[in-house]
Amino acid sequence: DAGVIQSPRHEVTEMGQEVTLRCKPISGHDYLFWYRQTMMRGLELLIYFNNNVPIDDSGMPEDRFSAKMPNASFSTLKIQPSEPRDSAVYFCASSPPGLAGSTRGNTGELFFGEGSRLTVL
Amino acid sequence: AQKITQTQPGMFVQEKEAVTLDCTYDTSDQSYGLFWYKQPSSGEMIFLIYQGSYDEQNATEGRYSLNFQKARKSANLVISASQLGDSAMYFCAMNTGGFKTIFGAGTRLFVKA
Repeated sequence: DAGVIQSPRHEVTEMGQEVTLRCKPISGHDYLFWYRQTMMRGLELLIYFNNNVPIDDSGMPEDRFSAKMPNASFSTLKIQPSEPRDSAVYFCASSPPGLAGSTRGNTGELFFGEGSRLTVL
Repeated sequence: AQKITQTQPGMFVQEKEAVTLDCTYDTSDQSYGLFWYKQPSSGEMIFLIYQGSYDEQNATEGRYSLNFQKARKSANLVISASQLGDSAMYFCAMNTGGFKTIFGAGTRLFVKA
C-alpha cells in the first residue's frame, strides 16, 4: 500500500508568494494532521481533520495559513503571503479511526509523509 | 491543557549498552495514548512503540520498552543493546480524545562505537 504522499518535497520561494502544500493520506484513514517542524519550536500541530472536517485549528499560526480537505484523499495547506519565518519542514500524517488509550484496535498511531521542506527567502 | 516534556536535549550512549530517554506528560483526560517516534537524519518519522492509558503492563517492541508510571505521569523509552543505527532524534507523543496528538521537544541520541 502507498503511504502518505506529500508534494512538493522541496519548495523555495520568495517572501510574499503563495505556497501550497499537498497531502494524500492513506486510503481508509479518517484522520489527517498537519505539523510544522523547526529547530526552535520542534513539532507543532497546526490543524487536524476527522472525516474531512477540521477538528482543531488552534495551532495555525495566523490568518496567512489555511488548510482544506475537500475529500477523503486530498488536503492542502496554504500560506499566503509567505514570510521567511515560515521556513520549516511541513509534515502531513494520517491515522485510521479508533480510540485514544485503547488497548486493541487502532490506537492513533500516526503514519507520516516524507515532509515538504519550505524555504522562504 | 495537554503537554509533553522531554528534558534531555541530547544523550550519549555506548554501543551495546542500554539507554533511557525521559518523557513526562500532563493531561486531565482518562483515556490517552503515549507514543515514541524516531527521526533519523534522513528526516522520516518512524513509529516505535505505544502505551495506552489503561494498559497495566509496560509495552515492549523488540529492543524498545516503555516504562509507564501512570501516577508519576511518565513514559520513558528504554532502548536495550544500543546500535549505531539508533543514533537519531526521539520524540515522545501523546494523543487524547479525538486523536489530537502533540509531541515533546525531542531528545537527540548519539551512539558511540
